[in-house]
Parts: sequence; structure tokens; C-alpha cells
Amino acid sequence: QKEVEQDPGPLSVPEGAIVSLNCTYSNSAFQYFMWYRQYSRKGPELLMYTYSSGNKEDGRFTAQVDKSSKYISLFIRDSQPSDSATYLCAMTETSYDKVIFGPGTSLSVIP
Amino acid sequence: DADVTQTPRNRITKTGKRIMLECSQTKGHDRMYWYRQDPGLGLRLIYYSFDVKDINKGEISDGYSVSRQAQAKFSLSLESAIPNQTALYFCATGGTGTGTDTQYFGPGTRLTVL
Repeated sequence: QKEVEQDPGPLSVPEGAIVSLNCTYSNSAFQYFMWYRQYSRKGPELLMYTYSSGNKEDGRFTAQVDKSSKYISLFIRDSQPSDSATYLCAMTETSYDKVIFGPGTSLSVIP
Repeated sequence: DADVTQTPRNRITKTGKRIMLECSQTKGHDRMYWYRQDPGLGLRLIYYSFDVKDINKGEISDGYSVSRQAQAKFSLSLESAIPNQTALYFCATGGTGTGTDTQYFGPGTRLTVL
């Protein structure tokens, strides 16, 4: 079993849809959870960062962490074509540990 | 100018050749990382360095070596390239004292080994 698993996608949605991207993990020591967005032919960039369980909202994006279920989600409201990218979940035990990345989910938002 | 730069951006080489990928950063970060990205496998850590005198193996270090020439420079070498090292390689940096391990990635190097 991989340490971090992610819905494989690809995911294709119409513009304006609500998108749910999910990851599960096996290491209960993970405390820091991140979502990175990677556009085609670019390096990943940090989108959302959450510590421990709970929700965090930033504009159209909401990150949720459920440590009891070892499950994290990223919700995108009112999705836009510019949201078309690969989304990578990532997590680490402490703020200075190695970061473990999920394999990524490719999202296409169709106008 | 980009904060994290990688050279070359694309490279095609032959089996058995020695290859060096270079990374430079202007963010002033102590930590630097090398990852490779393969379809379906995501980002896998090759080596990382928390300061100039610190080098650590990552998940998949076999066949690779690194050199931290300065705080701002971290190079990755393939001593004898093989076809299964064909991948997209990313350098990343991370700052200490921020309380998070936010990593800033370069634009990537696409390496093809024939």
C-alpha cells in the first residue's frame, strides 16, 4: 500500500461545477497537510496548507482534514477553466520533515 | 526573474553518459530538494539538503548523486544514465523558521535517456 493515495482521475467537469479532490494516507503521524497545483509544463505551487484536523477556506478553495479517517479533501467552488491542472496532495509529520506527495489528480474544467 | 531556476530545461542523452542537472535559487532558503516525477507515481524524493554541509538520501537515491556547492546551488548527477531514469526532474527549496515546509519548485528538467 502506498503511503499516500489519491483519486487517479482524470476528472473533467463543466465550468461552475463544485469539484472534490481526495487523498487517503496510512501514516497516523502526519500532521501537516498541503495541496499543490501543477499546471502543464510547470513546477508544483502551494495552494493550501492545513495543520491537523479541520477546515480551511481561501476564496473558492476549501481544504478539509479528517485525521480519524486519514482522509483529506480539497473542494473547488464555481470551478473555472483556469483551475485546469494536476492537483497533488502532500503531507508531513513535522514542519521540517520530508514531504510525501500523492500521485496527483488531473482536472479539466470545460467552458 | 524566477526564484528557482533549473538548467537545462530539456536534455536527451544516451545510456551510460554522465549527466548533471543544476539548480539555483535566490530565495535565501537553507533547504533544497531534488525530486523526479513519473506519470502515476507522483513526486518522489531523490536527495535533500538542509544546509551546505548536510546531504541526505531520499526515497530513490540509487543511481544518483548530489552536490551542494553553496546555499543557493544544488546539483544532481546521473553517473551512468539508464533509460528508466527518463523522467521530469524538479528542484525545490524550503525555508527554515517559517513554521511550515512550504516548498518552492523550479520549472523542471525533462530528461530522456535513450
